[in-house]
Amino acid sequence: KAGVTQTPRYLIKTRGQQVTLSCSPISGHRSVSWYQQTPGQGLQFLFEYFSETQRNKGNFPGRFSGRQFSNSRSEMNVSTLELGDSALYLCASSTDPGTAYGYTFGSGTRLTVV
Amino acid sequence: QQQVKQSPQSLIVQKGGISIINCAYENTAFDYFPWYQQFPGKGPALLIAIRPDVSEKKEGRFTISFNKSAKQFSLHIMDSQPGDSATYFCAASKKKGGSYIPTFGRGTSLIVHP
Repeated sequence: KAGVTQTPRYLIKTRGQQVTLSCSPISGHRSVSWYQQTPGQGLQFLFEYFSETQRNKGNFPGRFSGRQFSNSRSEMNVSTLELGDSALYLCASSTDPGTAYGYTFGSGTRLTVV
Repeated sequence: QQQVKQSPQSLIVQKGGISIINCAYENTAFDYFPWYQQFPGKGPALLIAIRPDVSEKKEGRFTISFNKSAKQFSLHIMDSQPGDSATYFCAASKKKGGSYIPTFGRGTSLIVHP
């Protein structure tokens, strides 16, 4: 069974640019969440999508946005990149987030803003 | 405001020793407490989890101890092995908008010397 797939694995962007990250959840999983991981702040929740609807949102500026498609694949977009956006962006999927039985994470996309 | 406080930040133990990682939370609305293990280059993976109506849960060499009145919980790794060397995250979850959203601690980097 394929796991959560995130593409690309590594990305280098220039300050001011925008970037789109992709996440393909485990087959059958309808919930996709995104997290930002940095050494200083740890894992911080960005947003969660369930059946194409954003159900929860973390405390990030509007430059961070996402969407989910009918096949449950999700994309995350960051506009007007800042140096502080350099981080590992993790996607996690769940078959039923209401059961609390944890998420399955992908290996992440390492974004470097220069 | 850090809702889940984790300590220590780093931990070094000898092979065969006991590794202990502690977490504390503030919000009594949290009702699910998972621990995640993360190896370099990988996303976090669910290791073990507990609900607050249970004081202890054991799975193999991994044990969660939970103290509801003190709002503290800890992970014990018995007979620690070099393969256990990883970063460990505690988390506390509560239902929001129909989904359980985990709030993570800052992580503990564990090194087990052979």
